[in-house]
Amino acid sequence: QVHLQESGPGLVRPSETLSLTCTVSGGAITNHFWSWIRQPPGKGLEWIGHFFYTGSTNSNPSLKTRVTISVDTSKNQFSLKLTSVTAADTAVYYCARSLTHSGHPMGIWGQGTVVTVSS
Amino acid sequence: SSELTQPPSVSVSPGQTASITCSGDQVGDHFISWYQQKPGQSPVLVIYQDKKRPSEIPERFSASNAGNTATLTISGTQAVDEADYYCQAWDSGAYVFGTGTTVTVL
Repeated sequence: QVHLQESGPGLVRPSETLSLTCTVSGGAITNHFWSWIRQPPGKGLEWIGHFFYTGSTNSNPSLKTRVTISVDTSKNQFSLKLTSVTAADTAVYYCARSLTHSGHPMGIWGQGTVVTVSS
Repeated sequence: SSELTQPPSVSVSPGQTASITCSGDQVGDHFISWYQQKPGQSPVLVIYQDKKRPSEIPERFSASNAGNTATLTISGTQAVDEADYYCQAWDSGAYVFGTGTTVTVL
C-alpha cells in the first residue's frame, strides 16, 4: 500500500524559497502523475504542479515562474521548490499520486504539511 | 475547462438527496473526479472518470457529466457526509480544481 509523507520547514521568511519533500513508501515512483497541491487557510484546493515518471513536468500557469518540481528516485522522494514567497503562499501543502485511470484522478494523498510565510 | 464553478454551499436533511454542480465550458468533454474533504483531513477521492466509485466509497455517491455541467449526487445523505466537496478536471495536461462546496446536513 503506497503511502505519501510531506516534510519541510513550517516557517519560511518572505522573499525566500519554500522547499518541501514528499517521501513515497510502499511502492516506487513509477507510472503515475506525482503532484503538489496546496490549500490556503479557509480556502479551496489549488494544483501547484506535477511530474510524470518519464521526467516531464507541468505547473499551474499562475505559479509557473516560481515552481520547480524534481524527483530523486534513489530516495523514492520528489520535491517542490517555490521561490520568492509571500504571505499569500501560506497554506497546507499536499503531495498526491494519480491512479491509472483516464483523467488521472488523485487517488493517494499525503497528510499535508502546514507552511507559514512570515518574518 | 480552465475554470470550474461550484455553489459555495448546499444544505440537505438527513436521508434526503444532495446535488452538487460543477460548471465549466464544455466540462463534459473532460473526465471529472470528485473529492470529499472533512475538516483537518486530506481530500479523499469519491468519484473518478465522471461516474466511477472507488471500492471503498458507499453506493449512495453517484455522478454524471454532460455539456457544461458535472453533478455529484449523494442519495440518502448521512451526517458523516457533511464535508467540503471539490470537482477536478484534467485539461490539456494540467489539473483544475473546482471552487468547492460545503455540504451541511441539517
